[in-house]
Amino acid sequence: NAGVTQTPKFRILKIGQSMTLQCTQDMNHNYMYWYRQDPGMGLKLIYYSVGAGITDKGEVPNGYNVSRSTTEDFPLRLELAAPSQTSVYFCASGSQGASYEQYFGPGTRLTVT
Amino acid sequence: GQSLEQPSEVTAVEGAIVQINCTYQTSGFYGLSWYQQHDGGAPTFLSYNALDGLEETGRFSSFLSRSDSYGYLLLQELQMKDSASYFCAVRPSGAGSYQLTFGKGTKLSVIP
Repeated sequence: NAGVTQTPKFRILKIGQSMTLQCTQDMNHNYMYWYRQDPGMGLKLIYYSVGAGITDKGEVPNGYNVSRSTTEDFPLRLELAAPSQTSVYFCASGSQGASYEQYFGPGTRLTVT
Repeated sequence: GQSLEQPSEVTAVEGAIVQINCTYQTSGFYGLSWYQQHDGGAPTFLSYNALDGLEETGRFSSFLSRSDSYGYLLLQELQMKDSASYFCAVRPSGAGSYQLTFGKGTKLSVIP
């Protein structure tokens, strides 16, 4: 099992550009999450999904979009990148009934300049 | 809503015991989780307390007291590799039960 994989590992964007962060899990988990982590801070939930075709906003969804067409994949789309979106982005997954135990991908370090 | 408070930094000596506290304010929750994150790495799950009391997993133990709105992570026989950030997180009851709300984390430095 590869667990949760994320691509790319690093990315530099110019203000106003767009990109998609990819996330794939091979554990057949129903639940998937996107977090951002700013330096010295905790994790803030951007979006989450409880199954294919179902997504919902977290604490900080503005400037982002997600889709969940399969159980395995949960891409995060950034439209019109802004410097405030400079952060480390983590994707995570968890099984139904055990959302207290989430499995995290290695993260994507994004800089917007 | 939920808010969790943790000390920002703790320093302890190799071989010693350290306790990392987490106090919370929440309208209702199912349990308290703990995660470890090394610098530049991803968070990894350590433990979960659904009920009051102590849960032990090797050198790590976690405690929850709902009446005191308080929990802690206890690390024994500290090793240099335990230097990392530790986050507590609550799983709220009700509509947000699929989510975790994380504290800001405690950076633990283990010194020789």
